[in-house]
Amino acid sequence: QQQVRQSPQSLTVWEGETAILNCSYENSAFDYFPWYQQFPGEGPALLISILSVSDKKEDGRFTIFFNKREKKLSLHIADSQPGDSATYFCAATSGSWQLIFGSGTQLTVMP
Amino acid sequence: GALVYQYPRRTICKSGTSMRMECQAVGFQATSVAWYRQSPQKTFELIALSTVNSAIKYEQNFTQEKFPISHPNLSFSSMTVLNAYLEDRGLYLCGARGGYNNQAPLFGEGTRLSVL
Repeated sequence: QQQVRQSPQSLTVWEGETAILNCSYENSAFDYFPWYQQFPGEGPALLISILSVSDKKEDGRFTIFFNKREKKLSLHIADSQPGDSATYFCAATSGSWQLIFGSGTQLTVMP
Repeated sequence: GALVYQYPRRTICKSGTSMRMECQAVGFQATSVAWYRQSPQKTFELIALSTVNSAIKYEQNFTQEKFPISHPNLSFSSMTVLNAYLEDRGLYLCGARGGYNNQAPLFGEGTRLSVL
């Protein structure tokens, strides 16, 4: 049973567009959702995170929108740059700090 | 800033041999360390959670006999893959965090294990 799902599996956008990466979860006990960015050959780097008490978290060009009722969240990358091309992982935890990762969205930003 | 270093970055071992990988937290106290394995398909498997002064908790399909972990202080952890075989290939990630709740772990660059 996959507790954290991500879509799409891969996404291509043009430079300057907003990329939207989706994530959904099943466990109502999840209350903290970090997003990680991973480049080929590197470990995942923490990008931005949100607590379930919030519905939006913004950090520069990166924004998380969170819908607790629907158990969905999305990562919006505004003004996408070619350097944003990477795999993005949504993760969830219920405070035990055992992270459950989604399967990732591979983003390609075309110049 | 806070960083997690892992070494070696890459390693190759013969089937049936063992290899040790290390994880060091810099700039913060790693009260908890989690070891993950990322498959070539990029899925994450949690191997074990280690908290200083507590027993190490292994996930199903992973055992101390196969993946012994040491977490002797707040800046260092190591894990050994004993009797490595092809199915043990992957990117081994160390995620460390301090003592606060709702704090996402910081990951190192990983140790990529290849088995011949």
